[in-house]
Formats: sequence, structure tokens, C-alpha cells
Amino acid sequence: DGGITQSPKYLFRKEGQNVTLSCEQNLNHDAMYWYRQDPGQGLRLIYYSQIVNDFQKGDIAEGYSVSREKKESFPLTVTSAQKNPTAFYLCASKRAGDYYEQYFGPGTRLTVT
Amino acid sequence: AQTVTQSQPEMSVQEAETVTLSCTYDTSESDYYLFWYKQPPSRQMILVIRQEAYKQQNATENRFSVNFQKAAKSFSLKISDSQLGDAAMYFCAYRSPGVNSKLTFGKGITLSVRP
Repeated sequence: DGGITQSPKYLFRKEGQNVTLSCEQNLNHDAMYWYRQDPGQGLRLIYYSQIVNDFQKGDIAEGYSVSREKKESFPLTVTSAQKNPTAFYLCASKRAGDYYEQYFGPGTRLTVT
Repeated sequence: AQTVTQSQPEMSVQEAETVTLSCTYDTSESDYYLFWYKQPPSRQMILVIRQEAYKQQNATENRFSVNFQKAAKSFSLKISDSQLGDAAMYFCAYRSPGVNSKLTFGKGITLSVRP
């Protein structure tokens, strides 16, 4: 079955450590996205990539980094510079073209203490 | 910049009844896309329904329909014959056309369904 995989579902880290969240899709989608979700907030865009080896900052990119070396993979690194990293992180992907919608992965809950 | 507003943080509906979730947005564009996403307790985001701004006809997907008022910049979701499985957070989202278009989400509304 085609879909988006995010692993792990729950992640715990100590403050000051970098952590990388995995996102893999086998939908052959061109575009991939990372969102952050906090209680009482909608989803906020961190980074997105329309094509391999290219990505753009979203609305809240500070303290995060990404890479897009393969079409199917878009890992997100939460660095120690991110002041409030504890959140639920969602990855999404989309086919090229205006008509198509974004499909979402199951998410990763990151807790930093 | 576009903004999406969902002013009701919570709503409740009796099973089998109808409920309407409100959403307004602000944009200066004439062509765009609007979406309703559902996020159940599993937290998996699921597309419920989509509306293209150039279409005057309101979108319908089984028990889900929208009331799209372009001039008023309003995009409400109506759920008919509510079921227990409809209990979830619902997010309204806006997207401009174009290669680098992004989804802008509202803050969401929590819908509970009373048996």
C-alpha cells in the first residue's frame, strides 16, 4: 500500500541534543512538507520541498533543518537552537499540480526535557 | 498574507443530527482552493472535502457538504446524520494556486458527538 511513514511515533530527547525525524513516502509525490502542531494551534509550516535537492523555509523554520536527497525522503532535524521543540510533527506530500491535495503521515510526538 | 479563522473552538452535536462548522478566510486572490481536514484521536489528518474557488457549485462528499460564499469569504462545513466516528478536530485550510503554494490552516474546531 502506498503511503507516508513517519518514525518513530514517540520520541524523547534531552535538551541540547539535535534529533532527526524521519519521513518517507512511496506515493511518487514530488512535493513534501513538514508541519508543527501545538495545542490550540493549527498546523504551522516549517519547511517544504517541491523537488529533490531543493527546499524552502516555511513560516517557522528557525531552529530546524531539512534535506531532500531522495524523492521519497524528507528528514527534519530539530536542532538545539529550537527554543520550544516539544510538539507534534506532521509530514505531508503532494503530487505536482494545483488540483491535488496534501496527504499526511501519522505524525511524530517529540518530547524534549 | 492569507489568514484562516475558525472562531468556534468547540462544538457538540447529537448523533444523527446535523452540525455546521464555520470558517472564514482573508485573501486578495481570486483563484484558490479551500479544504476541510479531519483529525481524529489517532491524529492522522484526513481530507474531508475540497472546493475550488472558480466553481460556484458547493462541493459534496456523501454526508459532508460545504457552503462556499466567495464574496463573504466564508467556507462552512455541514455534516449531516452525524455519527460517533465524526468526533474529531476539523481544520479549515486555504491554498493559493502555483508551484510554491502552501496550505494555511485555521486553528481547528473540536467536534464531539453525543450518543
